[in-house]
Amino acid sequence: GAGVSQTPSNKVTEKGKYVELRCDPISGHTALYWYRQSLGQGPEFLIYFQGTGAADDSGLPNDRFFAVRPEGSVSTLKIQRTERGDSAVYLCASSLKPSLYSGANVLTFGAGSRLTVL
Amino acid sequence: DAKTTQPNSMESNEEEPVHLPCNHSTISGTDYIHWYRQLPSQGPEYVIHGLTSNVNNRMASLAIAEDRKSSTLILHRATLRDAAVYYCILQKQSPRGSKLTFGKGITLSVRP
Repeated sequence: GAGVSQTPSNKVTEKGKYVELRCDPISGHTALYWYRQSLGQGPEFLIYFQGTGAADDSGLPNDRFFAVRPEGSVSTLKIQRTERGDSAVYLCASSLKPSLYSGANVLTFGAGSRLTVL
Repeated sequence: DAKTTQPNSMESNEEEPVHLPCNHSTISGTDYIHWYRQLPSQGPEYVIHGLTSNVNNRMASLAIAEDRKSSTLILHRATLRDAAVYYCILQKQSPRGSKLTFGKGITLSVRP
């Protein structure tokens, strides 16, 4: 597609429920990133995929958070047993960068999925 | 990760130039300097990046100090649409990939 698409744009759930957030990156972009952003803060890195594999998941806060990218394109961020503190905007970004090392890496972000846990 | 330091906020007048400073005294030789901006209710948007030399594009200019310990994003004629949070970020090359680590950024207000 023309840009990074994230669905749903808004999700309201109850504490303890399971949530899935979807990201459709720009076609041909090999790298995909998940960030989350709380009110008044900058985006916080969660996980980064290079192709199908997670190259860096050091930002996932705990084992309730999991992300997959089974075919190297669409990615799903999964949150189990949601807590009120998980409320935030979850941002997805993709980049064309095929290499882990060389050159600058320009990310294109989606508009985000706003998650509210009641 | 190498950190950047930015003022919390800045005000400017419409149609005047804006200089947004960023300090990054612990920058490494291979770190790229990136600037992104985030308009209200939108995801961050790429503005410009550089390594050692000053850079210009259609959105802005990036002036990098000779010792690379600071940089300045220059908007040549601010418009009301430039009101946003601007993030100065160092992209560190590492075996685990080149993620971007955002700080709080600087909030730019533009007066009509």
